[in-house]
This record gives sequence, structure tokens and C-alpha cells, in this order.
Amino acid sequence: DIQMTQSPSSLSASVGDRVTITCRASQSISNYLNWYQQKPGKAPKVLISGASTLQSGVPSRFSGSGSGTDFTLTISNVQPEDFATYYCQQSYRTLITFGQGTRLDIK
Amino acid sequence: DVYLVESGGGLVQPGGSLRLSCAASGFRFSEYSMNWIRQAPGKGPEWVAYISSRGETIFYADSVKGRFTISRDNAKNLMHLQMNSLRDGDTATYYCAHSSGYHWGQGTLVTVSS
Repeated sequence: DIQMTQSPSSLSASVGDRVTITCRASQSISNYLNWYQQKPGKAPKVLISGASTLQSGVPSRFSGSGSGTDFTLTISNVQPEDFATYYCQQSYRTLITFGQGTRLDIK
Repeated sequence: DVYLVESGGGLVQPGGSLRLSCAASGFRFSEYSMNWIRQAPGKGPEWVAYISSRGETIFYADSVKGRFTISRDNAKNLMHLQMNSLRDGDTATYYCAHSSGYHWGQGTLVTVSS
């Protein structure tokens, strides 16, 4: 199985801050990397696919980069609705795997 | 719009069985592979099972292999997860998801407890 390691596991930020979350794969996954946002009681929602492609309707303050084993999700100008948990997920293999999550809290 | 609606969750004793269903609409269900993904309370999502578009290819996570069975009925736009020999560790919200990852259901809660 491909292991996905996210850091940090939690993060505190203020509205307007820029935050970066990293995700590392245990082997190269090319750009087969999705980023999800999850709010309490809801299903995860895909923000970015293919490591850097913003999904329709997702604000442009979200961006993704990386290829191979190292990836980042950046939120510029954090807004109140962005406080949530974020997960990376590889789709390189049929057996998909997720990172352990990064909880973004209000400072 | 794509809709995925899970049903069949509930409280079951250890060793018991449940059958989850996922009703799909808004896309050509028979053309897409699908996944079951679960999320234990306070934990991240965990992939459980995969089924190809016609059901000819199936994979399971090691944690459920031999106990869970995934199936689909393309004529009725339904996918199922038969869960047997349930354990405490199977307690989770179970989601059906389009293989693209773009579409998930709202989830159904399975609680295994005596």
C-alpha cells in the first residue's frame, strides 16, 4: 500500500493568514493526488485533483502543487469558512489511501 | 447533478451482519467503478472496497477481506456492501463514492457494540 503522510496534524491560523499543508507519499504517485476539505458531520469535499487542478466552485485562494512524492496545499487569505480538516489522497493505485488529516483551527 | 445515497446502517452486536446500499443517480452508473470508504469517529477516511463498472474486478482492504462483500446492480443503479462478522473496529460512517473521488454520499453510520 502507498502510505500518505501529512504535516502538520493541526494548525492554528487567523483570518487573512496564508497556510501550507504538506503531504508526502511513500512512493512516486506522479500527480495522482487529491485534496479534500471536511467539515464536522459532512462528507469530504474534493478541492483539488491531479495535484493542482482546482475543482469547479472552489475559491481561487486554494492552490495545490507538487509531483512525485511531495505535495502542498496552500490557502492564501484564510477565510472563516476554511476552518476544517484537510486530507490528501492518492489515486495512483486502485487501492486509494488517505493522509491522516490536518485540522485547521482559528487562532 | 450526481447523487449518492447510502442506507442500511445501524446498531449491531459484535459478530452480527448488516447490508449497506448505495443508490446512485445523475450519472451513467454502469460506466463507472465505485468505492466504499469508511471513517471511524475522529479518524481519517479509510478505503474499504472497490468494484469495477461491470463488477468483474473487486478489491478489499485487508481489514475487511473475507468478511465484507461488495456488489452492484447496474440495472437498478445500486451498489451494496454485505458486512458479516462485524467487530468493534468496524464502527464508522460508511460512504459510497464515485471512483473519481469527486462525488460522495452523505454516509450511513454503522455502530458495532454489545
